[in-house]
Amino acid sequence: EIVLTQSPEFQSVTPKEKVTITCRASQTIGSSLHWYQQKPRQSPKLLIKYASQSMSGVPSRFSGSGSGTDFTLTINSLEAEDAATYYCHQSSSLPFTFGPGTKVDIK
Amino acid sequence: EVQLMESGGGLVQPGGSLRLSCSVSGSTCNNCALNWVRQAPGQGLEWVAGISDSGGTTFYADSVKGRLTISRDNSKNTLFLQMTSLRAEDTAIYYCAQSWEWAYFDNWGQGTLVTVSS
Repeated sequence: EIVLTQSPEFQSVTPKEKVTITCRASQTIGSSLHWYQQKPRQSPKLLIKYASQSMSGVPSRFSGSGSGTDFTLTINSLEAEDAATYYCHQSSSLPFTFGPGTKVDIK
Repeated sequence: EVQLMESGGGLVQPGGSLRLSCSVSGSTCNNCALNWVRQAPGQGLEWVAGISDSGGTTFYADSVKGRLTISRDNSKNTLFLQMTSLRAEDTAIYYCAQSWEWAYFDNWGQGTLVTVSS
């Protein structure tokens, strides 16, 4: 099973600040890495597919990068509505696995 | 766009059974699998099971293999999860999620809560 680790676990950020979340896979997964945003009491929402492809309707301040084992989700100029938990997910091999999540709080 | 709506959650005793359903509506998708993903209270996401668009291929997480069974009825646009021998650690919100070609989960339902407790 491929294990995904995320850092940091928690980040408290001021609006307009830049946020960087990293996801590391226990073995190489190419670009089969996807990012989700989950707000309290809501279902997860797909933000980025295949490491760097933004989904339609996702604000341009969200971007993804990386390949192999190391990946990054960047939120440029954080807005209050971005308060959420962010998860990475690998689809390179079964079982599909998720990272433990990174909670982003607004100061 | 696809809409997914789960139902069937509730309180069940340890060792009991429950059947979840997920109604699928909206635009159809070829090469789309359907999955169950769960989230224990205050915890992260865990993929549980997936089924191909035809229903001919299924996959399971080791933690549920032999106890949970995924199936689908394409004539009724419905996904199922038959849950047996339930344990306290199965307590979670169960989400139905569509995945394109066994990759990313691009559509999610609102979830249904399953509580296993005596």
